[in-house]
Amino acid sequence: ELKVEQNPLFLSMQEGKNYTIYCNYSTTSDRLYWYRQDPGKSLESLFVLLSNGAVKQEGRLMASLDTKARLSTLHITAAVHDLSATYFCAVDRLDDMRFGAGTRLTVKP
Amino acid sequence: ETGVTQSPTHLIKTRGQQVTLRCSSQSGHNTVSWYQQALGQGPQFIFQYYREEENGRGNFPPRFSGLQFPNYSSELNVNALELDDSALYLCASSLGAGVLFSGNTIYFGEGSWLTVV
Repeated sequence: ELKVEQNPLFLSMQEGKNYTIYCNYSTTSDRLYWYRQDPGKSLESLFVLLSNGAVKQEGRLMASLDTKARLSTLHITAAVHDLSATYFCAVDRLDDMRFGAGTRLTVKP
Repeated sequence: ETGVTQSPTHLIKTRGQQVTLRCSSQSGHNTVSWYQQALGQGPQFIFQYYREEENGRGNFPPRFSGLQFPNYSSELNVNALELDDSALYLCASSLGAGVLFSGNTIYFGEGSWLTVV
């Protein structure tokens, strides 16, 4: 069964600091997705990682994928308050898509 | 703004009733998928439609059914509602090629909040 685990589930950080969110998954997959969700809102696609070693960056967020380790990371650089949200990773395996439980990020001034 | 619109935004139903949720896909997208997101959890895949045919389903019972129309809009129907069906239901559209998940970007609507009492 395809399982996706994120950690941490809750993250409180100061503005200006760096941190990494981890996403582990249980079976072989070459596609990993990162989404952002603001409270009461829908999911916004951040990154789609399609191969081993893929790295994508957008602003203060950078995502990477290691398919051999079945691990993706979402790195936050010099956090700002606007990044406060819940971040989900998701993995697909042709016939199913599984989401992690989400990491609720709060960036404090 | 993703171009995916859902209706209604909120609704309350009684246990045992039936509900229909609607979704209008982003223009040109031929693939629609539906997800259930319980409060405080990640979304769960319900099913996906490609060119009016269901081409994949998650671990949901048959009382969850759907339709996709020639204009690629979609409906999610849930029969015999249970209290545990209370959740945010998300519709998402993408440009697919028949494979269930192909790595294309998926665009989500704002969702329909369903409360079953």
